[in-house]
Amino acid sequence: DAKTTQPPSMDCAEGRAANLPCNHSTISGNEYVYWYRQIHSQGPQYIIHGLKNNETNEMASLIITEDRKSSTLILPHATLRDTAVYYCIVRTTSGTYKYIFGTGTRLKVLA
Amino acid sequence: DAGVIQSPRHEVTEMGQEVTLRCKPISGHNSLFWYRQTMMRGLELLIYFNNNVPIDDSGMPEDRFSAKMPNASFSTLKIQPSEPRDSAVYFCASSTGNTIYFGEGSWLTVV
Repeated sequence: DAKTTQPPSMDCAEGRAANLPCNHSTISGNEYVYWYRQIHSQGPQYIIHGLKNNETNEMASLIITEDRKSSTLILPHATLRDTAVYYCIVRTTSGTYKYIFGTGTRLKVLA
Repeated sequence: DAGVIQSPRHEVTEMGQEVTLRCKPISGHNSLFWYRQTMMRGLELLIYFNNNVPIDDSGMPEDRFSAKMPNASFSTLKIQPSEPRDSAVYFCASSTGNTIYFGEGSWLTVV
């Protein structure tokens, strides 16, 4: 599975959009991009995933560049409860698979 | 719906003792994962099962660790004998083949 690179930390003002980048320059055509977050002391929580097209759900939006080498997770109106570590993961769509977590981005939402 | 259920939530044990962590995956999920999380090493995949069969155990640290899945609704991770360096949060997760869902973790302290 391709490796991902994320900034170690980011701050965001409450009510503003939080844009979390992820680089996955070695991604293959059959690999999805997944985003999870981990709020302190809890298990990682699924947010969103995509293959080629941009995706949106009730939690966030995922923007994937046309060459698929990078993506951005957007939390449109960040709240204090969005403070967490956000993980970007790529994994294959076929065969045996593993979710390999990197170090993620520690997002702090400021009041 | 009940999520992934892990027990115990917290355990403190003495070095040399056997530790058994338990996991009940989400009903209908056919893949199960065990992860370990520490400050130093982050979130590491230990082993995963597909249809109750271990597929990849390359992340299991050493022979002191073993995992079983006797049926589709139960798995155990056993450490025997335990050592202080095994202190960590152990997460179980399950999936139907795409998104994985995590339990709340078992916090293990070996003194």
